[in-house]
Amino acid sequence: DQQVKQNSPSLSVQEGRISILNCDYTNSMFDYFLWYKKYPAEGPTFLISISSIKDKNEDGRFTVFLNKSAKHLSLHIVPSQPGDSAVYFCAASARPTQGAQKLVFGQGTRLTINP
Amino acid sequence: NAGVTQTPKFQVLKTGQSMTLQCAQDMNHNSMYWYRQDPGMGLRLIYYSASEGTTDKGEVPNGYNVSRLNKREFSLRLESAAPSQTSVYFCATLQGSYNSPLHFGNGTRLTVT
Repeated sequence: DQQVKQNSPSLSVQEGRISILNCDYTNSMFDYFLWYKKYPAEGPTFLISISSIKDKNEDGRFTVFLNKSAKHLSLHIVPSQPGDSAVYFCAASARPTQGAQKLVFGQGTRLTINP
Repeated sequence: NAGVTQTPKFQVLKTGQSMTLQCAQDMNHNSMYWYRQDPGMGLRLIYYSASEGTTDKGEVPNGYNVSRLNKREFSLRLESAAPSQTSVYFCATLQGSYNSPLHFGNGTRLTVT
């Protein structure tokens, strides 16, 4: 049962335009959401996060939007640059009752920025 | 400052062989994790360790064992490798216990023939 889903395996966007990556989740206990970026042969690197008490978080060209009622989050990249070409993973976690936080990841979306 | 270091970077095993994937961190983080990445599946949690001396199963623990040797090191062992364990393995750390991002190593690419 995939609790975090990224339904678009790939996305192609023109340089300078907006890239919008989408993610849906099913577990209503999730209250912390993150986006990671991954280049080939490297580990995922943290990009931006949002807590469930917010509906928007912005960091430079990157903005994450959270719609709790729809259980949907999106990542907007404006303007898109060639260096943004990578695989993007969304992830979510719920407050742990014991132990440490565990992130659940989506399948990833490969973003290609075309010059 | 190396962050999270994984060794080896690449490994080829025959079915039934054993090996240990090593992970070391220099960030003084309490929690450590092992994930595997497979095409179309995203990253799935194998095992994690909330603190030195504790380990817990994740989503896909079968066929693996872990050892939290000390605060810095968290190893993943395959006792009898199977082709289904062909994957890219990532180690990660977490500074606090909640509402913080994980920091990942660069991965170990394992092929089991």
